Amino acid sequence: AQTVTQSQPEMSVQEAETVTLSCTYDTSENNYYLFWYKQPPSRQMILVIRQEAYKQQNATENRFSVNFQKAAKSFSLKISDSQLGDTAMYFCAFMKPPRSYNTDKLIFGTGTRLQVFP
Amino acid sequence: SAVISQKPSRDICQRGTSLTIQCQVDSQVTMMFWYRQQPGQSLTLIATANQGSEATYESGFVIDKFPISRPNLTFSTLTVSNMSPEDSSIYLCSVETVNTEAFFGQGTRLTVV
Repeated sequence: AQTVTQSQPEMSVQEAETVTLSCTYDTSENNYYLFWYKQPPSRQMILVIRQEAYKQQNATENRFSVNFQKAAKSFSLKISDSQLGDTAMYFCAFMKPPRSYNTDKLIFGTGTRLQVFP
Repeated sequence: SAVISQKPSRDICQRGTSLTIQCQVDSQVTMMFWYRQQPGQSLTLIATANQGSEATYESGFVIDKFPISRPNLTFSTLTVSNMSPEDSSIYLCSVETVNTEAFFGQGTRLTVV
């Protein structure tokens, strides 16, 4: 079974600085997807970034980038130029495609609470 | 992308009663999912709801407690039955688009007293 581990329950960073959130996972699959979701106090789960395992190039979305190390089963999220609005819970998630009926599910880590200070 | 409207956003209910949560999507989707997020915890999948068939429940969740309807490709409901304080959680619906991205509703914060 697949598992996702986030070893940092809480992180803090000063505005405009850079922070990296860690995520490791365990799977025997070769092809899969990895995601980072953000959940602000509004409770809305927002997709931040995703990575396909077959792609060697690390995904980037504006200030958000990942360091995907497939052999090490590591998938960290780097937030550059942190903003106050980045304060939220961040969840790392794994999914084995295709997400067919009753066979695959989105597996979440336990989350990292990020606080951005002015 | 998909826009999901989930109702109610929050409710306070008496123990022993039931609450039905609605999830409306702005496009047709094959698979819809219901999650529970207990206070300070991660998301746990309750069940997968496919149109035209019975929902598939994860280990630890049963249909009598969490009946689900999926009458069409844009709508689903989750009922939390015979509630107890342990059911106090955030409940979220989710859909998956063709490019394997999951989108979530804004969640329903349920408090059972």
